[in-house]
Amino acid sequence: DTGVSQNPRHKITKRGQNVTFRCDPISEHNRLYWYRQTLGQGPEFLTYFQNEAQLEKSRLLSDRFSAERPKGSFSTLEIQRTEQGDSAMYLCASGGSEQYFGPGTRLTVT
Amino acid sequence: DQQVKQNSPSLSVQEGRISILNCDYTNSMFDYFLWYKKYPAEGPTFLISISSIKDKNEDGRFTVFLNKSAKHLSLHIVPSQPGDSAVYFCAASALYQGAQKLVFGQGTRLTINP
Repeated sequence: DTGVSQNPRHKITKRGQNVTFRCDPISEHNRLYWYRQTLGQGPEFLTYFQNEAQLEKSRLLSDRFSAERPKGSFSTLEIQRTEQGDSAMYLCASGGSEQYFGPGTRLTVT
Repeated sequence: DQQVKQNSPSLSVQEGRISILNCDYTNSMFDYFLWYKKYPAEGPTFLISISSIKDKNEDGRFTVFLNKSAKHLSLHIVPSQPGDSAVYFCAASALYQGAQKLVFGQGTRLTINP
């Protein structure tokens, strides 16, 4: 068990570009979660999957954001037409009552 | 609407003494509570949890206390060690209502002084 992994760890992009992040959960976990954390705040829930089904989405997840988990294993989070306000740490977690987090992807939009 | 609040942004404690971190919540539907520890440039690490049917849970140096009537929980670390210096987040979910998402507080930065 290598824990939750996320790639890339850092991403710098120009405003208006699209970005995609990947999360590989702990292998036996069928629930996968995405959160976003900005400076000085706790993580905020974005969305979660049970296997390949996306079961809940936060109102924070605007229509520029899309998440997939096509085979119930890894997940991707895509942000289209990035804005400076999208700059944040994007965290992935897997688990159930206790959620185990990956190291995060830090996005900087210039 | 901040449903989970950690009112102390920072706390400084001497090595070997007790660290007490506090958390308040407003949503009475919350029934499962967790504490996470976070180092810079890393994701949060799960520490300890407690269900609303309990008022105390202990794991080594870490104890979480839950006061449902006051909607308050606390994390006690005894004895505090230098490696405990980190940001601590409390989180809550309405797990038994079927809600999976965690709602986090803003965090408390704990510094352990030698």
